[in-house]
Amino acid sequence: EIVMTQSPATLSVSPGERATLSCRASESISTNLAWHQQKPGQAPRLLIYDASTRATGIPARFSGSGSETEFTLTISSLQSEDFALYYCQEYNDWPPRTFGQGTKIEIK
Amino acid sequence: QVQLVESGGGLVKPGGSLRLSCAASGLTFSDYYMNWIRQAPGKGLEWISCISGNSGYTKYADSVEGRFTISRDNAKNSLYLQMNSLRVEDTAVYYCARGKFYSDYWGQGILVTVSS
Repeated sequence: EIVMTQSPATLSVSPGERATLSCRASESISTNLAWHQQKPGQAPRLLIYDASTRATGIPARFSGSGSETEFTLTISSLQSEDFALYYCQEYNDWPPRTFGQGTKIEIK
Repeated sequence: QVQLVESGGGLVKPGGSLRLSCAASGLTFSDYYMNWIRQAPGKGLEWISCISGNSGYTKYADSVEGRFTISRDNAKNSLYLQMNSLRVEDTAVYYCARGKFYSDYWGQGILVTVSS
């Protein structure tokens, strides 16, 4: 089973700054990777799929990159509503679909 | 718009059973794989089961294999999860979610608590 490792666990960022989140796969997953955002008490929301394609309605400040084993989610200028938990999820070795442990973006 | 609404959660004793439902609207339900994904309190996301649009394919995570059964009724636009032999570690919010590879729509989740 593929293991997804996200770093850092917590990222402290000021509003308006850039945030860069990392996700590493234990083996190559091509570009079969999604990113989800979760706010407290809410269901996750799909942000990115196929490593770099924004889901419907997702603002352009969210961008994804990477392939094989190394992936990045970048938020170009953090807005107040972006402080949340972010999960990467692979779907190369399907099923199961494996999630990373999450990165929390908190206000600095 | 697509809506997924879970129901059927609650408190159950270890060894007990519970059946979750997910009512779908705003989509051609039978066209889509559906999933159950759970989140233990303060923990991350765990995919636990999926079912194809025609119910011909089902798959389970090792953690629930043999205890949980996923099913669907396309005429009722509904997804189900029959959970038997429940354990304390099954305590979680259970989400139904659409999609074969990645989930683009999620329900709001329903809490299942397994405790004596």
